[in-house]
Amino acid sequence: EPEVTQTPSHQVTQMGQEVILRCVPISNHLYFYWYRQILGQKVEFLVSFYNNEISEKSEIFDDQFSVERPDGSNFTLKIRSTKLEDSAMYFCASRQGDTTNEKLFFGSGTQLSVL
Amino acid sequence: AQSVTQLGSHVSVSEGALVLLRCNYSSSVPPYLFWYVQYPNQGLQLLLKYTTGATLVKGINGFEAEFKKSETSFHLTKPSAHMSDAAEYFCAVSEGTSGTYKYIFGTGTRLKVLA
Repeated sequence: EPEVTQTPSHQVTQMGQEVILRCVPISNHLYFYWYRQILGQKVEFLVSFYNNEISEKSEIFDDQFSVERPDGSNFTLKIRSTKLEDSAMYFCASRQGDTTNEKLFFGSGTQLSVL
Repeated sequence: AQSVTQLGSHVSVSEGALVLLRCNYSSSVPPYLFWYVQYPNQGLQLLLKYTTGATLVKGINGFEAEFKKSETSFHLTKPSAHMSDAAEYFCAVSEGTSGTYKYIFGTGTRLKVLA
């Protein structure tokens, strides 16, 4: 089965530093997502991206966050100035089409630790 | 807005015993419901989904779930647990409009299988 790949698997950074989390969605997919899971809490929606623009974002996705699809294959999440509370597992996901019952394919996640 | 509640953050069963992981949802429209599994150091994999039609849904690895509208539940079961079933399980409901479909996840249930 095709896979969504995420790099790195673990990222440690100092508070205030910028981080970029990278994802390669499945090649024929059109919709892209970032979710995160703080330890012991729900998997939370951050942002959805379609046709080279954000289609929806959550309250968590403030001005410190941005997403980009720079080259037609990578899909990145940037956190401009990390805070301690940004420590979480970040999941990238993609889907091919545009129906509510369609399967999301998830990557294995990037564990971000902000010190 | 839709939401998902998973009762029990940790469930332990003996190998060969019945697995029951509970999920309740709230939704103002007919829901599309999903169960995902996360094995250690891997991404989220779809186990099964309910969209319309038959309320008993069969998934991979012998798991099934039954949609009960009257109880707003979508519990996951497996008749006989195997050691390889040890993982974290997430229930999710999808919501949104065209182009912005996203999943709302529960907090997850970690399944431990005892020899």
